[in-house]
Amino acid sequence: EDQVTQSPEALRLQEGESSSLNCSYTVSGLRGLFWYRQDPGKGPEFLFTLYSAGEEKEKERLKATLTKKESFLHITAPKPEDSATYLCAGAARNSGNTPLVFGKGTRLSVIA
Amino acid sequence: NAGVTQTPKFQVLKTGQSMTLQCAQDMNHEYMSWYRQDPGMGLRLIHYSVGAGITDQGEVPNGYNVSRSTTEDFPLRLLSAAPSQTSVYFCASSYAGNQPQHFGDGTRLSIL
Repeated sequence: EDQVTQSPEALRLQEGESSSLNCSYTVSGLRGLFWYRQDPGKGPEFLFTLYSAGEEKEKERLKATLTKKESFLHITAPKPEDSATYLCAGAARNSGNTPLVFGKGTRLSVIA
Repeated sequence: NAGVTQTPKFQVLKTGQSMTLQCAQDMNHEYMSWYRQDPGMGLRLIHYSVGAGITDQGEVPNGYNVSRSTTEDFPLRLLSAAPSQTSVYFCASSYAGNQPQHFGDGTRLSIL
């Protein structure tokens, strides 16, 4: 069964304190690993797609990386406005058009 | 462009009532899906569609119906509402199954 597991469930950082969020997956023939940001009361907002091991994507203070078993979302010098829930999702190669499998998310709080 | 539009934003129902959650997208996406999001459970797929006239079940389809008569619209019907269906419902669309999904801002549904 395809699964995506995120850790930690919650993370509290001081402003400027860099850290990483983890997304491990057991998705057969992964054909895409997606990161989303979700603010309270809003729908998930797309951040990055990674397609192959070794690939990296960056946006402002965020950098996503992918290995054969997991993905990391690195947050460098976070600010309070980076506080949100970050979701990871995988698309399986052999599942036709079956939608993404989502992890349960990491709730990030950045304290000024 | 409006993206993915969900209506209503909030709804309170009594047990046994029926209702339809509306979802419309203006991006000409073939792929649309419905999720529910509950605390501690993450996003769970209810139903999805890979194009007009084609729908399929996701992880938690019981108690819900869908149809896809046009590319733009993908309504979700609750046939006889139950308290267990209290949740936040998200609609999403994308070009294909391994492409980023664009989410609406959700419908918050309470069943009394």
